[in-house]
Amino acid sequence: DVKVTQSSRYLVKRTGEKVFLECVQDMDHENMFWYRQDPGLGLRLIYFSYDVKMKEKGDIPEGYSVSREKKERFSLILESASTNQTSMYLCASRQGPETQYFGPGTRLLVL
Amino acid sequence: GNSVTQMEGPVTLSEEAFLTINCTYTATGYPSLFWYVQYPGEGLQLLLKATKADDKGSNKGFEATYRKETTSFHLEKGSVQVSDSAVYFCALTLTGGFKTIFGAGTRLFVKA
Repeated sequence: DVKVTQSSRYLVKRTGEKVFLECVQDMDHENMFWYRQDPGLGLRLIYFSYDVKMKEKGDIPEGYSVSREKKERFSLILESASTNQTSMYLCASRQGPETQYFGPGTRLLVL
Repeated sequence: GNSVTQMEGPVTLSEEAFLTINCTYTATGYPSLFWYVQYPGEGLQLLLKATKADDKGSNKGFEATYRKETTSFHLEKGSVQVSDSAVYFCALTLTGGFKTIFGAGTRLFVKA
């Protein structure tokens, strides 16, 4: 059974902290994605990666960075967390243009 | 640009009612179309998909037909159950593209 796991389900951080969200997939997929999900806005793409060490900005990359040192792992970094980054963060992986497989999400609260 | 528009929710239905959630899209080229479902507290999972015009995707009693002439991919189910309560997302991916464009999501409540 395919699996995408995220390091935390819930996270509470303070403004200004550096935050790491990790995602691991076991399907040997080339493409991995980070989205944030906010009510009424659907899913918005933050960054994606199509290969190890390769990354592309999505629609809302400001305030975020990513790292992909190994094929199975894609990390999202909030360099200095702010309250407007309180959200649900979803990681996904995909092979080619077809179905995306999502992790369970990390609900981040920044105080 | 490319976009997906789906009907606003929430949609509230009684058990065994007929469900339609409308989805229309704007795309350059020939997209693949998807419906994803998100149950409470979980990530999204694929419900069904269609990769070319006139294809019908189906799963768990849900159906959607890729209509190129009306640029639509409406989700239907003949008889909903309480367990179908979830948020439904319509999405498209362009052939050869990396990005998937999602609609805003439609929340469905089914009452017993």
